[in-house]
Amino acid sequence: RKEVEQDPGPFNVPEGATVAFNCTYSNSASQSFFWYRQDCRKEPKLLMSVYSSGNEDGRFTAQLNRASQYISLLIRDSKLSDSATYLCVVTRNSGYSTLTFGKGTMLLVSP
Amino acid sequence: GAVVSQHPSWVICKSGTSVKIECRSLDFQATTMFWYRQFPKQSLMLMATSNEGSKATYEQGVEKDKFLINHASLTLSTLTVTSAHPEDSSFYICSARLQGQGYQPQHFGDGTRLSIL
Repeated sequence: RKEVEQDPGPFNVPEGATVAFNCTYSNSASQSFFWYRQDCRKEPKLLMSVYSSGNEDGRFTAQLNRASQYISLLIRDSKLSDSATYLCVVTRNSGYSTLTFGKGTMLLVSP
Repeated sequence: GAVVSQHPSWVICKSGTSVKIECRSLDFQATTMFWYRQFPKQSLMLMATSNEGSKATYEQGVEKDKFLINHASLTLSTLTVTSAHPEDSSFYICSARLQGQGYQPQHFGDGTRLSIL
């Protein structure tokens, strides 16, 4: 089983739509969880951390289910500029420094 | 905010050439820097963890003699791909982590696209 699994997509949605991405991770020792965004041929950029209680940042809502080892990202009112690949990232173990990246889910928002 | 600069952005060179990539933290001191590699449509894969003043820790399957890492100061780490071959063509990205207790985020450089002919 891969350490971090994501549906590669692409998810094609119209502007204004709501879209959700899911991710599962295999290492139960992982302590920190993140969603990164990566534009084509660019470096990944931190979108948001994911907390057990769930957290929201504007149009973005992240959820974590530790029991199921499952992470989600919800994007409301999609914008054209949201088109990117969304990477699910977890820390490798109980330490903080080593990150394990999923392959990413591609989102394409069309006019 | 924390800025990480990576140089060069693009490298195209002949097979057998050695290529050096620099990663600098511009406005903070980074005791730990990370080197990743990303092939097309693949995830970022950690190659090695670089600690200032000590030897890098390489991930399983990454040849330390092939990918030389030097982290001589708190603001600079270098990755040298020795005798590069076409299969080494990839997107190489570094990140730097701020000093401090608990979780400190990694800040990524903008990557180096390496093409070996």
